[in-house]
Amino acid sequence: KAGVTQTPRYLIKTRGQQVTLSCSPISGHRSVSWYQQTPGQGLQFLFEYFSETQRNKGNFPGRFSGRQFSNSRSEMNVSTLELGDSALYLCASSLAPLAVNTGELFFGEGSRLTVL
Amino acid sequence: AQSVAQPEDQVNVAEGNPLTVKCTYSVSGNPYLFWYVQYPNRGLQFLLKYITGDNLVKGSYGFEAEFNKSQTSFHLKKPSALVSDSALYFCAVRDNTGGFKTIFGAGTRLFVKA
Repeated sequence: KAGVTQTPRYLIKTRGQQVTLSCSPISGHRSVSWYQQTPGQGLQFLFEYFSETQRNKGNFPGRFSGRQFSNSRSEMNVSTLELGDSALYLCASSLAPLAVNTGELFFGEGSRLTVL
Repeated sequence: AQSVAQPEDQVNVAEGNPLTVKCTYSVSGNPYLFWYVQYPNRGLQFLLKYITGDNLVKGSYGFEAEFNKSQTSFHLKKPSALVSDSALYFCAVRDNTGGFKTIFGAGTRLFVKA
């Protein structure tokens, strides 16, 4: 069974640009959640999608948005990039929504974004 | 509010020695507890979890963890460390009262020297 796939793995942008990251969950998983990982802040929850609906959102500004498609693939978008957005963005999938999930999260390898 | 603390930024241990990576937590209800490992430039990999039942949980790669409710701890242990265990370890917690969010600790970097 294929794991969680994130694309692109690495990208470099400049301040003010926007970026879109993609995540394909494990087949059959309908919950996709996104995390931002930085050395100073650790892993911070961005949002979760289940069945094309945003279920929960972390404490990030509105520049961070996402969506989920009918095949459970998810994208996140960051507009008007700032230097502080440089991070590893991790996607995780699970079978059930986070609110009822007692199992583990399955993570992709991440998309490393560098903002210059 | 949920929180999880990993009090050590780094743990150093010699190969063959036992290792412990510490984790303490705070949740409003009963906790779901997890350990994940991250190798360089990779995503997180699940090691083990505690949901209910036996306080000693065994996981992947010979790791185990002990749930201690009175001390609100969930320390990760391994009887004999390997150089290949060197990585970043995250403890995570979620409460069972319908909360959605998995909170991760700041991570502990484990160095195992040959």
